[in-house]
Amino acid sequence: SQTIHQWPATLVQPVGSPLSLECTVEGTSNPNLYWYRQAAGRGLQLLFYSVGIGQISSEVPQNLSASRPQDRQFILSSKKLLLSDSGFYLCAWSRGIRGYEQFFGPGTRLTVL
Amino acid sequence: GDSVTQMEGPVTLSEEAFLTINCTYTATGYPSLFWYVQYPGEGLQLLLKATKADDKGSNKGFEATYRKETTSFHLEKGSVQVSDSAVYFCAAGFQKLVFGTGTRLLVSP
Repeated sequence: SQTIHQWPATLVQPVGSPLSLECTVEGTSNPNLYWYRQAAGRGLQLLFYSVGIGQISSEVPQNLSASRPQDRQFILSSKKLLLSDSGFYLCAWSRGIRGYEQFFGPGTRLTVL
Repeated sequence: GDSVTQMEGPVTLSEEAFLTINCTYTATGYPSLFWYVQYPGEGLQLLLKATKADDKGSNKGFEATYRKETTSFHLEKGSVQVSDSAVYFCAAGFQKLVFGTGTRLLVSP
């Protein structure tokens, strides 16, 4: 069976500090990968998605970036965090054209102070 | 662009009441449709799906039918339980999904 991991689970960072959130998927190959942000009491905002190694599509211009160094690894980064980067970050995967449902990780709660 | 509209919450019900959460979508073509559930502090869990018109998705007593003519995918359950209290998200799309803003359901004993 497939599983998706995210870490850390919670993170408190000062404004201006760097960020690195990691997501890995087990039990499947060549998944589509997604990063979402969920602000408090709000819906999901798609940040990035990737259909393969090194292929990243950005949905919203911002100070965040994403990378996919390995087939089942997806990293969300920032060089300098802003207060507005606080939120709940969710990673998800899908099988792509073989099925469009997305499966979500447990999330990372980021607080920028 | 594509969009999903859900009814505003919270929806407050007593245990064993009937549940309906409305969802409508606008999209090019015929997208796959999904309902997800989110419990506090957790990620989203896929509840059910439908991939073509008139398909009915069902899981754990929840049902939703893909209505092409009304572009709707309303979530229903005949008898809710306290454990169903959560936030429910409707989503539509293909490789990229568009999510509604979520509807909080509160079920009291």
